[in-house]
Parts: sequence; structure tokens; C-alpha cells
Amino acid sequence: NAGVTQTPKFQVLKTGQSMTLQCAQDMNHNSMYWYRQDPGMGLRLIYYSASEGTTDKGEVPNGYNVSRLNKREFSLRLESAAPSQTSVYFCASSEFPESTQYFGPGTRLTVL
Amino acid sequence: KQEVTQIPAALSVPEGENLVLNCSFTDSAIYNLQWFRQDPGKGLTSLLLIQSSQREQTSGRLNASLDKSSGRSTLYIAASQPGDSATYLCAVSGSARQLTFGSGTQLTVLP
Repeated sequence: NAGVTQTPKFQVLKTGQSMTLQCAQDMNHNSMYWYRQDPGMGLRLIYYSASEGTTDKGEVPNGYNVSRLNKREFSLRLESAAPSQTSVYFCASSEFPESTQYFGPGTRLTVL
Repeated sequence: KQEVTQIPAALSVPEGENLVLNCSFTDSAIYNLQWFRQDPGKGLTSLLLIQSSQREQTSGRLNASLDKSSGRSTLYIAASQPGDSATYLCAVSGSARQLTFGSGTQLTVLP
């Protein structure tokens, strides 16, 4: 099993450009999450989807949108990238919201 | 708002030593607590999950304890090995089932 996969692995954007980060899981999990990791800030939750068809804001949702495309896939979109969005983005999934979370390898995003 | 603190931020020990990593949280109304490991440039790997009703969990050389009333958890690593070198993160799940992470302890085990 591949577990949680993320694409792309690296991305460089210019301020104002848009992009979508893709995430897929093959564990038949109900819940999926997007986090960002910044030095000294730890991991912070951007958005999550407790189950297919639902999405909710996390701690730092501003500047982002998400789509739970189906049970397997959960995408994160930056409509107009800003340098403050330079970060490492992780997708995770769990069977239920209270279960162990499994993380993808991350996407390193730089916004110039 | 839940805050999670991990002390120390970095720790260096010789191979074979037993060690304890600490995690504290401000709101004791948690659902569970999870310990993760992160290798440089990689994603997080789950190590242990302790439900709020449990006192400890064990997996191999790892033992995690939870004292919910005092807002503390410890991760005990027995007979440390160089392969244990990584950053260890704890995270607590509250009523909304969202994880709040600490900033981690960077562990180096010297051969």
C-alpha cells in the first residue's frame, strides 16, 4: 500500500500565482487533513474533512480552500499565493477523527 | 486555546542510554494524545496513541504515559540506538478531535 501520497514534492511560485496541492490515500480512511509546518511554529491545521462530503476550517485557514473530491482525495488550493505561505505542507488521514493519523511525505512550497 | 509544550527542544545522548521526552498541555479536556516521529525532510510517523482513559501504552522499546489531570505525558525510550535519532512530536486531540502539536524534541543518539 502507498498510504498517503502528495503531489508535487516541491514547488516554487511567484506572489499572486495559484496552485493546487493534491493528496490521496488508499487506506479507505474517512477523515483527511491539511497541515502546514513552519520552523518554531510546529504543525498547524489548515483544513480538515471529518468524512466524505464535509470540510471544516482549522487553526489557519485564511488564504486556502479545500475540496474533498471523493473518499480518497483531498486537495488544497492557494488562490493567490503570498510569501507568508512559504512552508512545508502535509496531508494526513485517519479512519475516524479520533484515530491515529497517517501522514504523507509533504510538499515544500516556496513563494517568491 | 490548547497549548502543547515539549522540553527540551534538543537532546543528545550516547547510544544505549534510556531517556525520557516530556510533553505538557494546558487543557486537560483531551480525547487522546499521540506521539509521532519525524525524520529530516520526511513526513510524520505515528508511534503511540493513548486514549484519555489510559495511563500508558507500550510498543517495543517505547513506553508513553499520560497524566491527564496534571497535563503531562512522557515518552520513554529504552536502550537508545543511533537509528532513534529524529524529532519527536506529541499532539493532543480535544473535543473537536483536532490535533494540537508541540514543537518537538530533536533527539540525537551518538554511536
